[in-house]
Amino acid sequence: EAQVTQNPRYLITVTGKKLTVTCSQNMNHEYMSWYRQDPGLGLRQIYYSMNVEVTDKGDVPEGYKVSRKEKRNFPLILESPSPNQTSLYFCASSRQGRETQYFGPGTRLLVL
Amino acid sequence: GQNIDQPTEMTATEGAIVQINCTYQTSGFNGLFWYQQHAGEAPTFLSYNVLDGLEEKGRFSSFLSRSKGYSYLLLKELQMKDSASYLCVQTGANNLFFGTGTRLTVIP
Repeated sequence: EAQVTQNPRYLITVTGKKLTVTCSQNMNHEYMSWYRQDPGLGLRQIYYSMNVEVTDKGDVPEGYKVSRKEKRNFPLILESPSPNQTSLYFCASSRQGRETQYFGPGTRLLVL
Repeated sequence: GQNIDQPTEMTATEGAIVQINCTYQTSGFNGLFWYQQHAGEAPTFLSYNVLDGLEEKGRFSSFLSRSKGYSYLLLKELQMKDSASYLCVQTGANNLFFGTGTRLTVIP
């Protein structure tokens, strides 16, 4: 089954404790992206990657890191999480950036 | 962002027709998507317009006017399960810009 998976689905952590949210797709897509969704603000792009070892900042990259060492995986790293990073995070992939995005199920993060 | 503007909330009756409008900045335009998102779930693809005109797909249709920076999503024969948020999404060269979404409530 073609899908995008994210782990964990839910996470509660404390300020400053490094965490990684994994994202994996099995569709051989070149383009992958991370978004955060907050009430009243909609989906905002954090980082995107057009291919292996190619990553670019989106609208709200501060406080986040990504890597794209393999085509299927695109982890999101919060080196020192802060409460303002409490949000719902979605990973997505597509063949190319302009094409239909396939979203993962989302990760709810609470930073205390 | 690309200043995508769509109404925050709409309410419509089961069986009726509803039109959700979206305006966007025309600079850097490459295409326009509509996604549906039920509460707490991931967005799912509904439609894509890159040329002017109407694209019809069952009960859902989407219209685009590139010169006016305007699109709408038309939902016919509304069902209760259509209660969701509808996201207008503009594509740039390599990334996407999401509107804040229109929360549609379908009432009996």
